[in-house]
Amino acid sequence: GAGVSQSPRYKVTKRGQDVALRCDPISGHVSLYWYRQALGQGPEFLTYFNYEAQQDKSGLPNDRFSAERPEGSISTLTIQRTEQRDSAMYRCASSLAGLTDTQYFGPGTRLTVL
Amino acid sequence: DQQVKQNSPSLSVQEGRISILNCDYTNSMFDYFLWYKKYPAEGPTFLISISSIKDKNEDGRFTVFLNKSAKHLSLHIVPSQPGDSAVYFCAASNTGFQKLVFGTGTRLLVSP
Repeated sequence: GAGVSQSPRYKVTKRGQDVALRCDPISGHVSLYWYRQALGQGPEFLTYFNYEAQQDKSGLPNDRFSAERPEGSISTLTIQRTEQRDSAMYRCASSLAGLTDTQYFGPGTRLTVL
Repeated sequence: DQQVKQNSPSLSVQEGRISILNCDYTNSMFDYFLWYKKYPAEGPTFLISISSIKDKNEDGRFTVFLNKSAKHLSLHIVPSQPGDSAVYFCAASNTGFQKLVFGTGTRLLVSP
């Protein structure tokens, strides 16, 4: 398909394990964004990339969270030593080039930490 | 602190009538505003946007109004259709910062 894809769609892990969430943006999209969405809330910004450069990581909650986009396409959000409070929907979005271009969201990865 | 607020968690409207969804913001630096629609099990989908240099933007049945002095925007859907039933998120940004701040969403139910 031509949209943003994310994998896995669902991830259940035990507290203390590391998880890696993948985002495959729309081909040719320069900007890639990661958000976290708690139940009953709107998406909350985590970080974003232009090409392979991480431009803003101010929304990452702590140093257990990291993201990379080494070739300017696929991105991985990694959470180390997961905690129950990390349970949420993690959403990725991409846009052609920057904020005033429409952000297209993926279906999200539902992370549950037991 | 919640910089973008949607104070109505839900709204019910009859088909054919107007739906008005409201959003308030606190950060006077915001200069770009958007509405997203979200169906269950899908990601949010862009609906309409407005820059702070305008006070109205219209796209078909959807119109967004911006009142900068009141730090308030609203989305009007006329006429409402059952397929419009979804959660609507308001979002705002300062274009210099490249990130969206979302509200908590309003669930719209349009009944036939």
